[in-house]
Amino acid sequence: GQSLEQPSEVTAVEGAIVQINCTYQTSGFYGLSWYQQHDGGAPTFLSYNALDGLEETGRFSSFLSRSDSYGYLLLQELQMKDSASYFCAVRAYGGSQGNLIFGKGTKLSVKP
Amino acid sequence: DTGVSQNPRHKITKRGQNVTFRCDPISEHNRLYWYRQTLGQGPEFLTYFQNEAQLEKSRLLSDRFSAERPKGSFSTLEIQRTEQGDSAMYLCASSPRGGQGDEQFFGPGTRLTVL
Repeated sequence: GQSLEQPSEVTAVEGAIVQINCTYQTSGFYGLSWYQQHDGGAPTFLSYNALDGLEETGRFSSFLSRSDSYGYLLLQELQMKDSASYFCAVRAYGGSQGNLIFGKGTKLSVKP
Repeated sequence: DTGVSQNPRHKITKRGQNVTFRCDPISEHNRLYWYRQTLGQGPEFLTYFQNEAQLEKSRLLSDRFSAERPKGSFSTLEIQRTEQGDSAMYLCASSPRGGQGDEQFFGPGTRLTVL
């Protein structure tokens, strides 16, 4: 089967940098995605890594190491509005285009 | 607003009743997905359509669940003989052919409470 592990909670202060790690176990996979979800809101797509390395999008960056089955989401210059849950997700071989498997999520609390 | 819409937003029902939810995807998206999410968990895949064809259904989905996308546009998810364990947020998402990686656009969800 497939599984993803990520920390359940992270707390940081405004302006700081925080890294949310994700390790995965799959029989092979296409790539690692990250989604953000505010309380009561819908998940929104943040980033996708298919190849090893760092992808940067504004204050957010995402990293993937396929050999280590590991990735992380890096949030810089934290703002209060970044308080949300962050999910890593994979689409594994054998799954269709639709079968995204999500982690349990990391709840990020940003303090003033 | 041209995002994914879902109706109703909230549904309270008694155990044993049938419920039906509707999802209207972004108009040019040919792929549509249903997920279920409970408190403190990530979305759990239920089923996937490409146009009107249902290409994948989770093994976790019991026979009480059925989904349709009759004309390749909106979709419905029906739960028959609801149980208290069906209480969850039901999320719909869509994506275009050739979209970026695994980017899916989620709707606001339908929160189901089974009493």
